Amino acid sequence: SQQGEEDPQALSIQEGENATMNCSYKTSINNLQWYRQNSGRGLVHLILIRSNEREKHSGRLRVTLDTSKKSSSLLITASRAADTASYFCATARGDSSYKLIFGNGTRLLVRP
Amino acid sequence: EPEVTQTPSHQVTQMGQEVILRCVPISNHLYFYWYRQILGQKVEFLVSFYNNEISEKSEIFDDQFSVERPDGSNFTLKIRSTKLEDSAMYFCASRATPGVNNEQFFGPGTRLTVL
Repeated sequence: SQQGEEDPQALSIQEGENATMNCSYKTSINNLQWYRQNSGRGLVHLILIRSNEREKHSGRLRVTLDTSKKSSSLLITASRAADTASYFCATARGDSSYKLIFGNGTRLLVRP
Repeated sequence: EPEVTQTPSHQVTQMGQEVILRCVPISNHLYFYWYRQILGQKVEFLVSFYNNEISEKSEIFDDQFSVERPDGSNFTLKIRSTKLEDSAMYFCASRATPGVNNEQFFGPGTRLTVL
């Protein structure tokens, strides 16, 4: 089964606007993490939210987690052209390897 | 700030050839991972490694793949006989301690192109 499905698949906004990306998952998790990937580059860790947390902030980022709905959202406020990237959610369960299961990602374009 | 490094950044090989992708995890980390990302697709887990052995592997990680930690610093992924469909970005990641609630640090990736 798919774990970590983001929507929208692509999002285009004007600089200064807020961007909201959503992620849904199917199984129980211990934490959910958001990563950013610039085109063809590596994965940059943005924020981790534990299953017993509901909201977390880091700079212009705000992440929410609703375990009853098995969903999370990433809000980027006051977006900048440099925020243009793909954003992935990844879930970690309590299994032996603590591997991450990634979603398909949201491609964000911030127009200057 | 400590970081995961990977070499080479880009590897081009002929189908059927063996390749070794190299990673240097963060020095005090205990858990090591390989993931891959086929162009335009999501990142997929390949294998995890802890205490000098594989702790979990995915269906993708078949007999053509192997991992090794040959010394105290390197972590390698070997593909014995590459196929066209092995073309992808390969990411190494490491994590510090037992316990699920800490982040994995990813390297910049190796882009593997199989011709």
